[in-house]
Amino acid sequence: EVQLVESGGGLVQPGGSLRLSCAASGFTFSSYDMHWVRQATGKGLEWVSAIGTAGDTYYPGSVKGRFTISRENAKNSLYLQMNSLRAGDTAVYYCARGDILTGYYSYWGQGTLVTVSS
Amino acid sequence: EIVLTQSPATLSLSPGERATLSCRASQSVSSYLAWYQQKPGQAPRLLIYDASNRATGIPARFSGSGSGTDFTLTISSLEPEDFAVYYCQQRSNWPSYTFGQGTKLEIK
Repeated sequence: EVQLVESGGGLVQPGGSLRLSCAASGFTFSSYDMHWVRQATGKGLEWVSAIGTAGDTYYPGSVKGRFTISRENAKNSLYLQMNSLRAGDTAVYYCARGDILTGYYSYWGQGTLVTVSS
Repeated sequence: EIVLTQSPATLSLSPGERATLSCRASQSVSSYLAWYQQKPGQAPRLLIYDASNRATGIPARFSGSGSGTDFTLTISSLEPEDFAVYYCQQRSNWPSYTFGQGTKLEIK
């Protein structure tokens, strides 16, 4: 059974840093592109970052230069290092697996809440 | 960036009725469009991929259509468990998979 379990969320002050983790199981982690998607309370979904199987990384302009996605295939783990956090980064952060054939997110974690507030 | 605009923002219907949700792209995404369902407190669930293909385990009452810039998700006869928020997503430009703002399907 495919499982994605996020951790590392919490309360952080503006300007602070936080590192999210996503533990994957039930599939060959190294064979899949992985993504982070966030959702502010009551709002829609926003793609935050992606990492390919070769370790290539991608970000939207809203987080580029502040967030870093990485993976550790030996530990079946995905990470998101978030620096210079702002109030607008407050959201539930989901990790999601990109389907090999279609690229869509057929599996998601349960999410971890990040709150940026003083 | 490709912008997806969903309409209506809220759709009020009764169980048994037919639901039609729309998603319009700011430029052509070919057939690279998906639909997700999200219930409160849950992660989104993939319903439809590549415009018209049902994901594994999705009931036949869900169907998708369209190509280019205009897409539709149809639920033929609403069940109580179908009341949720629905998002469209495009994968035309990997990996920037933008989402629409969502349509809330509520019980009338």
